Amino acid sequence: AQRVTQPEKLLSVFKGAPVELKCNYSYSGSPELFWYVQYSRQRLQLLLRHISRESIKGFTADLNKGETSFHLKKPFAQEEDSAMYYCALKSAGGTSYGKLTFGQGTILTVHP
Amino acid sequence: KAGVTQTPRYLIKTRGQQVTLSCSPISGHRSVSWYQQTPGQGLQFLFEYFSETQRNKGNFPGRFSGRQFSNSRSEMNVSTLELGDSALYLCASRSGDRVNSYEQYFGPGTRLTVT
Repeated sequence: AQRVTQPEKLLSVFKGAPVELKCNYSYSGSPELFWYVQYSRQRLQLLLRHISRESIKGFTADLNKGETSFHLKKPFAQEEDSAMYYCALKSAGGTSYGKLTFGQGTILTVHP
Repeated sequence: KAGVTQTPRYLIKTRGQQVTLSCSPISGHRSVSWYQQTPGQGLQFLFEYFSETQRNKGNFPGRFSGRQFSNSRSEMNVSTLELGDSALYLCASRSGDRVNSYEQYFGPGTRLTVT
């Protein structure tokens, strides 16, 4: 069975400090990984997708198949990055993008 | 474009009752997925509908059901409500079935409280 684990429920950093939100997954095939974010009083929205290999709002995430991880990183955190972050997995093959397995989420707080 | 809308936003029901939640996807989107969000279990996939057909189902009991109409609007129904069904129910839509339609657009959710 596939599983996504985000070991930190809460993460606090100061503005300007580097931040890393951890995500580990268990899945035997080649998954697709995503990061979704929910800012205060806003809807859950896609932040980035591992296949795109792009930086969004300064965030990057690299899929490490050996360690089965997909950690989200940003070198200099900003106060507006404070939000709930979810790591999500889509299994390989014909599974639809409409069926994602989410982690428990990490609340990131960036202090001024 | 208007976003995904869900009605009602809040609902209080009693154990044993049934409830129907509604989701209107973004115009032109054909796929609708439902998720249950609770503090203990996080976000869990319920089911997905595409062109009026259920194409995926999560590990929830048969009390949870859904359907999709020809205009892509979707409803989910929970019968014989239990206290543990108290949760935020999120609906998400996608444009279609192509590989590049991977992004899900979420609604604001319906907060269901079972007493």
